[in-house]
Amino acid sequence: DAGITQSPRHKVTETGTPVTLRCHQTENHRYMYWYRQDPGHGLRLIHYSYGVKDTDKGEVSDGYSVSRSKTEDFLLTLESATSSQTSVYFCAISDRGSPSGNTIYFGEGSWLTVV
Amino acid sequence: AQSVAQPEDQVNVAEGNPLTVKCTYSVSGNPYLFWYVQYPNRGLQFLLKYITGDNLVKGSYGFEAEFNKSQTSFHLKKPSALVSDSALYFCAVSPSGGYQKVTFGTGTKLQVIP
Repeated sequence: DAGITQSPRHKVTETGTPVTLRCHQTENHRYMYWYRQDPGHGLRLIHYSYGVKDTDKGEVSDGYSVSRSKTEDFLLTLESATSSQTSVYFCAISDRGSPSGNTIYFGEGSWLTVV
Repeated sequence: AQSVAQPEDQVNVAEGNPLTVKCTYSVSGNPYLFWYVQYPNRGLQFLLKYITGDNLVKGSYGFEAEFNKSQTSFHLKKPSALVSDSALYFCAVSPSGGYQKVTFGTGTKLQVIP
């Protein structure tokens, strides 16, 4: 398994509260990603990072922000959680330019329920 | 824009029979193609990928996939299905070269019947 740790693994929160999900990697990979997985939609990219303090939006970035202050850590923040953000969130990593090309490796997921 | 289609939401196959999970793609230029498997309440696990070279790619757990450029397909196959192969399978594509965005399909649930 790729060295990716997500925390918390499960969380229930109330509408309007801020939530931060943490992703920690031990592979020293340059690229880190946050995806959400919802039935019928597959995986959708929220934000990604291509280096420390270098981040960019994905296809479903509204309502989310990210930060990457160290190579190994990538935080996803829901500033004010809404019920539509109830989902499973996956952190992922990849190593651009390596022989593995764009292969993405996933963490075990964080189940978030907004009530 | 690039896209991936997995036309079957679910595939049922009897244990011991060959299985095929279908994937077609659309991308500018040459593709990188991937298959992932997801077991319940787990993250996606990388199975195999096509970058270049032989059109038949072999991967983990006895799976293989065939790249067909003319049909823009990358179907996942296994000669003899196991009950333990029951899971959700995702196909993904990106343009080749450097860093490129990876697009995932919506997934196909494989059910292997004992």
